[in-house]
Amino acid sequence: DAKTTQPPSMDCAEGRAANLPCNHSTISGNEYVYWYRQIHSQGPQYIIHGLKNNETNEMASLIITEDRKSSTLILPHATLRDTAVYYCIVRVAISGGGADGLTFGKGTHLIIQP
Amino acid sequence: DGGITQSPKYLFRKEGQNVTLSCEQNLNHDAMYWYRQDPGQGLRLIYYSQIVNDFQKGDIAEGYSVSREKKESFPLTVTSAQKNPTAFYLCASSSQLREYSPLHFGNGTRLTVT
Repeated sequence: DAKTTQPPSMDCAEGRAANLPCNHSTISGNEYVYWYRQIHSQGPQYIIHGLKNNETNEMASLIITEDRKSSTLILPHATLRDTAVYYCIVRVAISGGGADGLTFGKGTHLIIQP
Repeated sequence: DGGITQSPKYLFRKEGQNVTLSCEQNLNHDAMYWYRQDPGQGLRLIYYSQIVNDFQKGDIAEGYSVSREKKESFPLTVTSAQKNPTAFYLCASSSQLREYSPLHFGNGTRLTVT
């Protein structure tokens, strides 16, 4: 699986958009980009995933550059409850199953300031 | 509500004792996983199982054992051979129906061995 690089920490003001970058310059054509977040002392929570196109759901938007070497997770209106560690992961999708888990690095600690 | 239940939330053991951590899911997922997390670190994969009565070692399986006798249950035993057992343990599951199925996590068991 391709390696990802994320800043160790970021601050964002409450109510503003939080933009979390991820670099995955060695990503291959069949690797998806996944984002998870982990609030202190809880299990990680799936946020969103994408392959080539930008994606949006009720939690966030995912912007993937045209060359797929980097992506940005956007939380449009950050609240204090969005304070968490955010993990960017790239992973080959295996058709028909055979998933062997995801590799979680240290992620970005996002702190939402009141 | 469907989800993953890990129990207990906190567990204390004396050094040299084996201890079993429980993980139950009612999501009808085929695949289940155990991760370990140390303070300030990412998650490391211990074991995973794609189907009942079958499981594979992850990156740090030494000192751990698992069983998968039922689809809903994937208990993890931390044996006395595990040199540094104190950690936060997370169980997850995923569907095998789609190639990009996300992981669903429980809220973890914090094990302290003294």
